[in-house]
Amino acid sequence: DAGVIQSPRHEVTEMGQEVTLRCKPISGHNSLFWYRQTMMRGLELLIYFNNNVPIDDSGMPEDRFSAKMPNASFSTLKIQPSEPRDSAVYFCASSLPGLAYAHNEQFFGPGTRLTVL
Amino acid sequence: LAKTTQPISMDSYEGQEVNITCSHNNIATNDYITWYQQFPSQGPRFIIQGYKTKVTNEVASLFIPADRKSSTLSLPRVSLSDTAVYYCLVGDWLSGGYNKLIFGAGTRLAVHP
Repeated sequence: DAGVIQSPRHEVTEMGQEVTLRCKPISGHNSLFWYRQTMMRGLELLIYFNNNVPIDDSGMPEDRFSAKMPNASFSTLKIQPSEPRDSAVYFCASSLPGLAYAHNEQFFGPGTRLTVL
Repeated sequence: LAKTTQPISMDSYEGQEVNITCSHNNIATNDYITWYQQFPSQGPRFIIQGYKTKVTNEVASLFIPADRKSSTLSLPRVSLSDTAVYYCLVGDWLSGGYNKLIFGAGTRLAVHP
């Protein structure tokens, strides 16, 4: 099993440019999460998909951020236009269907380190 | 949403047992306690989860007292490779089967030779 795959691993862009981050979850996992990690704010949940449907997007910072999951094996997180404060490591994670109340282990990808100049 | 409190940092030496205690005074009846580990430049990795008493796996043990207001992650005989940030999490179980995790600052464990 290849685990969660994210691309690109590193992205450097200039302010105002569009950035698209990609994620391939583990096959068979029906839950997908996008997180952002910075030194100042730690690890924050941006959005959660279940069966390709966005369930909780309360963590999405603002309208410049959008996420899609067109099928069970692919998701994107887009920032348009990007700003220097968006610089962070963005993680994608996936998990199996939930058991009652117990947490289902989330498998994290290697992350995409985004730098906006 | 139950909030967790854990030490910001800890130091240990190779071969010692490390115990990281987390407090979660407002834990709800249905909440499980989960621990994740994060190495530099990697995503977090699940370590262990428990509801009450003691849970043990090949990596760690988790001790939960009867009142469940705290928990202790125990790492036996740590090595340099155990240097990482350890997160204690209590999920927020939302309707529809969604267990939302809120990551705090975690405990930065440094293992020295």
